[in-house]
Amino acid sequence: DSGVTQTPKHLITATGQRVTLRCSPRSGDLSVYWYQQSLDQGLQFLIQYYNGEERAKGNILERFSAQQFPDLHSELNLSSLELGDSALYFCASSVGAMVGTEAFFGQGTRLTVV
Amino acid sequence: SQQGEEDPQALSIQEGENATMNCSYKTSINNLQWYRQNSGRGLVHLILIRSNEREKHSGRLRVTLDTSKKSSSLLITASRAADTASYFCATVDYGQNFVFGPGTRLSVLP
Repeated sequence: DSGVTQTPKHLITATGQRVTLRCSPRSGDLSVYWYQQSLDQGLQFLIQYYNGEERAKGNILERFSAQQFPDLHSELNLSSLELGDSALYFCASSVGAMVGTEAFFGQGTRLTVV
Repeated sequence: SQQGEEDPQALSIQEGENATMNCSYKTSINNLQWYRQNSGRGLVHLILIRSNEREKHSGRLRVTLDTSKKSSSLLITASRAADTASYFCATVDYGQNFVFGPGTRLSVLP
């Protein structure tokens, strides 16, 4: 158990809808990262927050947004969903602010868009 | 676009053998990391090697980095069935871009 909690584990929704994925980092970790893993795109870094502020941005679509709250949990909002958004979405957390320092991953949310 | 590219895409070996996976990348990096992912589960951080380091060990893992060739290798010695997983390299450049390669699927047969 990495200590990172993601909810829900599975999500099935229709095209055009909006969903929110939630991540609770390990106790004491200030950084939260979001990743998307799909068969055709592989593992893509989406965005990082550190202590409530956006720290680094990767291949995140404009239809997607994220935030980190004062209690350090984070939410990833995906809107106007398309079939191609079906993927595993992982959250990770780390103590420090540097992208790529040792991060601990949650078990992921599997999103299926039908 | 992919920064790290692992080679081979898939590797099948017998228990007790060594497994070597390679990663090549294109730009200058701050560090390179290796992760393991069991099927459909989250990634587990294995090892981080900085650009000024050439070799690092952790248990049965040995990672090398050759910045002149822009490549890294991950060696797993005395492999076990439990090592069966996908292995990814990830690079971090000085612009804080964090990019994963497509991964190597390792199967260790009992």
